[in-house]
Amino acid sequence: GNSVTQMEGPVTLSEEAFLTINCTYTATGYPSLFWYVQYPGEGLQLLLKATKADDKGSNKGFEATYRKETTSFHLEKGSVQVSDSAVYFCALRGIQGAQKLVFGQGTRLTINP
Amino acid sequence: SQTIHQWPATLVQPVGSPLSLECTVEGTSNPNLYWYRQAAGRGLQLLFYSVGIGQISSEVPQNLSASRPQDRQFILSSKKLLLSDSGFYLCAWKEQGNQPQHFGDGTRLSIL
Repeated sequence: GNSVTQMEGPVTLSEEAFLTINCTYTATGYPSLFWYVQYPGEGLQLLLKATKADDKGSNKGFEATYRKETTSFHLEKGSVQVSDSAVYFCALRGIQGAQKLVFGQGTRLTINP
Repeated sequence: SQTIHQWPATLVQPVGSPLSLECTVEGTSNPNLYWYRQAAGRGLQLLFYSVGIGQISSEVPQNLSASRPQDRQFILSSKKLLLSDSGFYLCAWKEQGNQPQHFGDGTRLSIL
């Protein structure tokens, strides 16, 4: 079945550092890929998405490229801010049925000033 | 624009009591609807999803049930809560087709 594996956290960085959170997936066909962010005490917000190979999703300075050859969708940001502290979830959506999302376990990111 | 509402935001219930969490979506029609649970420090587990009124699919056997009495209303219920039902419950919706899911603010449920 479909699955998502995320880089284990927690991750702690200093402000303005470069961020990478790894995400790899297993799926049949060509799933859509997503990154969601969850700020403390809140629900999930869609951060970015990519629906086909080589697509690059971007939002708020974050980027992720859909790599079919390595089955990866790593999240990157060139210069993180304290306000980026949150839990980040990688997810995939299969191509059949009710298009259910399969989530990774989440990566907690803390940015220190 | 579309919005999703979940309530209550927090709930403390004794073991063995009933549960009803409600989720409504505005600004769209015939959405797919989803209930997830997020246990402390863990990822999201899909509990139920619905592709139409009265159509409910269960992903995992459990103490909970779901209903969709109206097109944009999704209810999560239990007759008798267990300690293991504690967690953060999230409702989500998506439009038909190749669209992303959008989440509500969640309900934090504590069972005593």
